[in-house]
Amino acid sequence: GNSVTQMEGPVTLSEEAFLTINCTYTATGYPSLFWYVQYPGEGLQLLLKATKADDKGSNKGFEATYRKETTSFHLEKGSVQVSDSAVYFCALSDLQGAQKLVFGQGTRLTINP
Amino acid sequence: NAGVTQTPKFQVLKTGQSMTLQCAQDMNHNSMYWYRQDPGMGLRLIYYSASEGTTDKGEVPNGYNVSRLNKREFSLRLESAAPSQTSVYFCASSEAGTSGETQYFGPGTRLLVL
Repeated sequence: GNSVTQMEGPVTLSEEAFLTINCTYTATGYPSLFWYVQYPGEGLQLLLKATKADDKGSNKGFEATYRKETTSFHLEKGSVQVSDSAVYFCALSDLQGAQKLVFGQGTRLTINP
Repeated sequence: NAGVTQTPKFQVLKTGQSMTLQCAQDMNHNSMYWYRQDPGMGLRLIYYSASEGTTDKGEVPNGYNVSRLNKREFSLRLESAAPSQTSVYFCASSEAGTSGETQYFGPGTRLLVL
């Protein structure tokens, strides 16, 4: 079945550091790919998405490119801020019927001043 | 525009008790979802409703039932709670349930079963 694997956390960085959170997937066909973010005490919210191969999603300085050849959707940001501290989830959408999301296990990111 | 709301925010149950988690959305979305979030496992789909009047099982439906009361509301019921159901529960909605859509999540219900 479909699955998503994210890099193990937690990840701790200093402010202004470069961030990469790896995400790879296994799926039949060409699913849509998402990054959701969960700030402390809140529900998830969409950070960015890509719906077809070679698409790049971007938002708030974060980027991720849908790589079909490597089945990856790695999240990057050039200069992180303390306010980026959160849990990040990679997800893919099932193609059949209703959009059922399959999530990775989440990566907790802490940014120190 | 409140988005997706969930009640209660926190609940403690004893093993064998029942309860219903409520979810409502005011975005006129057709599709609604219930997930549970456990440490180190991401979110897993319990049940979903592609449209008003329909419900289907997700990845982990055992021990749960759902009701799509109307277009706005989608409730999750635990008939006989077990400690394994201790989790954080999230409700979500999306416009039409098609691939590539954004899902909008509620703030969650934290459930502890003793």
